[in-house]
Amino acid sequence: NAGVTQTPKFQVLKTGQSMTLQCAQDMNHNSMYWYRQDPGMGLRLIYYSASEGTTDKGEVPNGYNVSRLNKREFSLRLESAAPSQTSVYFCASSLKGEYRNEQFFGPGTRLTVL
Amino acid sequence: AQSVTQPDIHITVSEGASLELRCNYSYGATPYLFWYVQSPGQGLQLLLKYFSGDTLVQGIKGFEAEFKRSQSSFNLRKPSVHWSDAAEYFCAVVGVTGGGNKLTFGTGTQLKVEL
Repeated sequence: NAGVTQTPKFQVLKTGQSMTLQCAQDMNHNSMYWYRQDPGMGLRLIYYSASEGTTDKGEVPNGYNVSRLNKREFSLRLESAAPSQTSVYFCASSLKGEYRNEQFFGPGTRLTVL
Repeated sequence: AQSVTQPDIHITVSEGASLELRCNYSYGATPYLFWYVQSPGQGLQLLLKYFSGDTLVQGIKGFEAEFKRSQSSFNLRKPSVHWSDAAEYFCAVVGVTGGGNKLTFGTGTQLKVEL
């Protein structure tokens, strides 16, 4: 039982390049989330998926797209990377999109955009 | 909209000393509050949570937190800190708004433990 896994762990991009961050969970959770973590700003929600087949914007969605591929997988895509997207990205999942349900976090992807 | 303030960016304590990390929230209704810990290079792990009832909440690793509505606070405490507690700690509040478990995080407190 791996929990929440993310690939890659590290990535360096040049401005304008695109890439997809992958996230998978094996806990049969319904809801999944993408956050970014920046120094002095805590974690901010980019997008979330309350259930398979649905996605919605969070606090900082600009410059990102997401795909809920199936119940297990939720990917985050940067179409044209910018230096402002240099950050650590965390994926999380919860049993349901309700306040009582704990969110479980992956180990993160450290992205640098030059 | 809800918000969380963690006024201490860094805190240093000696091993064996007591610890209190401060968290203040702003939310229009009853808040649902969480403390998470992040060890270096790792994801976040839930320490404890408060939804209702007893205002003193026990968590893992010997941590506890007290909800004080009058002070809009949810401070994290530990009676005796261990070197392995060195990490970053995040307070969070969830917005129960029309679906979705949307956590709003504070900016975090970095804890250093001196041996």
